[in-house]
Amino acid sequence: SQTIHQWPATLVQPVGSPLSLECTVEGTSNPNLYWYRQAAGRGLQLLFYSVGIGQISSEVPQNLSASRPQDRQFILSSKKLLLSDSGFYLCAWSLWGGQPQHFGDGTRLSIL
Amino acid sequence: TQLLEQSPQFLSIQEGENLTVYCNSSSVFSSLQWYRQEPGEGPVLLVTVVTGGEVKKLKRLTFQFGDARKDSSLHITAAQTGDTGLYLCAGEAGFQKLVFGTGTRLLVSP
Repeated sequence: SQTIHQWPATLVQPVGSPLSLECTVEGTSNPNLYWYRQAAGRGLQLLFYSVGIGQISSEVPQNLSASRPQDRQFILSSKKLLLSDSGFYLCAWSLWGGQPQHFGDGTRLSIL
Repeated sequence: TQLLEQSPQFLSIQEGENLTVYCNSSSVFSSLQWYRQEPGEGPVLLVTVVTGGEVKKLKRLTFQFGDARKDSSLHITAAQTGDTGLYLCAGEAGFQKLVFGTGTRLLVSP
């Protein structure tokens, strides 16, 4: 069966520090991969998605970047965090676009 | 830009009551999904509806896709405390991605 792992679960970082959040999927090949940010109690905002190794589509201009160095690995990064980067970050995968997405348990990022 | 508006934004009810959550858009979607999310976890898929007018039942939950495939509803009969959570609708927005609704937070009290 397929599983998705996302870490860390919680992260507290100072303003201006770098960021690296990692997501890996097991049990499937060539999945679509997604990074979302969620404001408290609200819907999900799509940040990035990838349909293959090295391919990244950015949905909104921002201080963050994404990379897919391996088929089942998706990384969310920043060189210098802003206060506005605080939030709940979710990674997800699907077999192909539009299909049900399977989510990790998220990372709660707090910027001080 | 395709948007999905959910209403109500927040709903607080007693155990045993019925409720309906709405998901509306001015755009047509080829399919629509409903998810439930618990605090500190990722959303979990409940159902996918594909055909206009389609009705799907999942125990006490009834999902309907509008005839024009622009809206959907989720009806819960005799709510239980275990139904508490954030309910999200999501529509297929192009080949590679979904657009998520604004969310409805449901609190069911004993």
